[in-house]
Amino acid sequence: GAVVSQHPSRVICKSGTSVKIECRSLDFQATTMFWYRQFPKQSLMLMATSNEGSKATYEQGVEKDKFLINHASLTLSTLTVTSAHPEDSSFYICSASQPSSSYEQYFGPGTRLTVT
Amino acid sequence: SQQGEEDPQALSIQEGENATMNCSYKTSINNLQWYRQNSGRGLVHLILIRSNEREKHSGRLRVTLDTSKKSSSLLITASRAADTASYFCANFPPGSGNTGKLIFGQGTTLQVKP
Repeated sequence: GAVVSQHPSRVICKSGTSVKIECRSLDFQATTMFWYRQFPKQSLMLMATSNEGSKATYEQGVEKDKFLINHASLTLSTLTVTSAHPEDSSFYICSASQPSSSYEQYFGPGTRLTVT
Repeated sequence: SQQGEEDPQALSIQEGENATMNCSYKTSINNLQWYRQNSGRGLVHLILIRSNEREKHSGRLRVTLDTSKKSSSLLITASRAADTASYFCANFPPGSGNTGKLIFGQGTTLQVKP
């Protein structure tokens, strides 16, 4: 089956620094990738839709200057949390869909970000 | 919420019992999906049911859909300790076209005691 990886799985950073999270589709080309964040014991909230070769589409209330998304190739999307603050601490999950079927999404294992 | 409500929010049962989780949604749908999330991990796609289907089976999973009530249920039969996880329903919001943009329900946390 289709596999999506994320790196790193866990990261701890200090307030004010930036953190980059990578999302890779390992065995398929993903024209579209999605970024979610999840607070403890809560559901996933879609942050943005990342399209290869174009600007990401952000959901209402998500600061695009704070959460920079780059989808430079068909297998890699990156999310950079800039000037991180403790309230940015969360579980970030990416997903990818294949061009042939946008109905089924494949999720990465998630990245636990802790900002101290 | 973006999607709707799931109930119960938490469910604890003994191994071997059946577990039923419900999901209500607010908008029209083309299909509805169920996902499982083990603690601290990503999501695994379980099953998709289309709007013209009323029931679908996959192994020990049975999903029903009632579009008139805008609700769906997920039944796990003969539960196992390994079924312990959070379960989410999800669908594509109106106007999302073929973008693949998914909106998730609040989820049900299932604990299966051995």
